[in-house]
Amino acid sequence: GQQVMQIPQYQHVQEGEDFTTYCNSSTTLSNIQWYKQRPGGHPVFLIQLVKSGEVKKQKRLTFQFGEAKKNSSLHITATQTTDVGTYFCAGPPPGNTGKLIFGQGTTLQVKP
Amino acid sequence: SQTIHQWPATLVQPVGSPLSLECTVEGTSNPNLYWYRQAAGRGLQLLFYSVGIGQISSEVPQNLSASRPQDRQFILSSKKLLLSDSGFYLCACQKGQGTGELFFGEGSRLTVL
Repeated sequence: GQQVMQIPQYQHVQEGEDFTTYCNSSTTLSNIQWYKQRPGGHPVFLIQLVKSGEVKKQKRLTFQFGEAKKNSSLHITATQTTDVGTYFCAGPPPGNTGKLIFGQGTTLQVKP
Repeated sequence: SQTIHQWPATLVQPVGSPLSLECTVEGTSNPNLYWYRQAAGRGLQLLFYSVGIGQISSEVPQNLSASRPQDRQFILSSKKLLLSDSGFYLCACQKGQGTGELFFGEGSRLTVL
């Protein structure tokens, strides 16, 4: 079945440093979504990318969707302590059933 | 906008006891509904999803079951809990038949002893 993999699993950065997490799917995706889960909380939707090569920005966050629509990345510029949490990518398997398969997530720790 | 209610928020159950987690959705009709499980420090494992009343798809063989008795109600059950059933259970809602974003409930944290 479809697999969605994320690296790294954990990342510790000093406040102000940049951070990037990478997401790779074993199959071509019709779209990819990113979620953030704060410690003890539930995942919250950040963004959806649909087009090949698409780049979207949300303040210090930059999301990219690969040309082949099998990979994606999330880059945070100048991390802040509020960026702490686990970032998940998720994509639908072939067949457009609506369900989403999540990657294992990247947990970001930011040292003040 | 959608609101998802999950309960109970926390429970501790002995091995072999039954389980019932409930999820209700407000603010949308005919949503796709999902149950995910998250083990401590791990990712989200899709357990069940439903595209309509009485329609349940199971993703992982296990001793859990799900039911959707009403359009905006989704229930996760077990007849006999195992230690390995411990985890954080998340109900999620997606606007009907689409490939849009998921809205998650606050989650139910289950500890099986």
